[in-house]
Amino acid sequence: GAVVSQHPSWVICKSGTSVKIECRSLDFQATTMFWYRQFPKQSLMLMATSNEGSKATYEQGVEKDKFLINHASLTLSTLTVTSAHPEDSSFYICSARGGRLAESSYEQYFGPGTRLTVT
Amino acid sequence: GQNIDQPTEMTATEGAIVQINCTYQTSGFNGLFWYQQHAGEAPTFLSYNVLDGLEEKGRFSSFLSRSKGYSYLLLKELQMKDSASYLCAVRDRRQLTFGSGTQLTVLP
Repeated sequence: GAVVSQHPSWVICKSGTSVKIECRSLDFQATTMFWYRQFPKQSLMLMATSNEGSKATYEQGVEKDKFLINHASLTLSTLTVTSAHPEDSSFYICSARGGRLAESSYEQYFGPGTRLTVT
Repeated sequence: GQNIDQPTEMTATEGAIVQINCTYQTSGFNGLFWYQQHAGEAPTFLSYNVLDGLEEKGRFSSFLSRSKGYSYLLLKELQMKDSASYLCAVRDRRQLTFGSGTQLTVLP
């Protein structure tokens, strides 16, 4: 099956600093990538959707100037949390869709997630 | 928008069968997914239904009724490793929206 990787798997940063999270599709071309956030004991909440080469579409309530998304190629998307605060501490998960295989046309493949802790 | 409802918690015994229900309301239905998520890990794909009926995949089966806005995930021959959160997710023309998840605990 298709593989999506994320880096780093966990990160601790100080309040006010910025953190970049990378999401890569390893064996297929991801035409669309999704960024989710999950707080403890809650479900995944979609933050934004990005298509390669175009601006991301953010969900209501998600600050686009705080969560910068870049989908520069068909295999890489990045999420930068700028001026991070303790309330941004969460589990960030990317997901990718697209590819040549028929079964990947509808399925979203999830990365392993990045645990962000802001102190 | 979408509204997805599933039970918060369920408990079952090893070797038993459990059914996790999911009801939804959406415009532009384009498929229903079930995912399994262990604590601290990303979700893993279990099943996909876009037409009415039952899809079977080993110990897991998923059913969909589009007219009723209803789906269920059936887990047979439960194993301890099946203890996890099970997420129902509905896709419309634009995005995949997740339910709050059902935490399943399998007891010995």
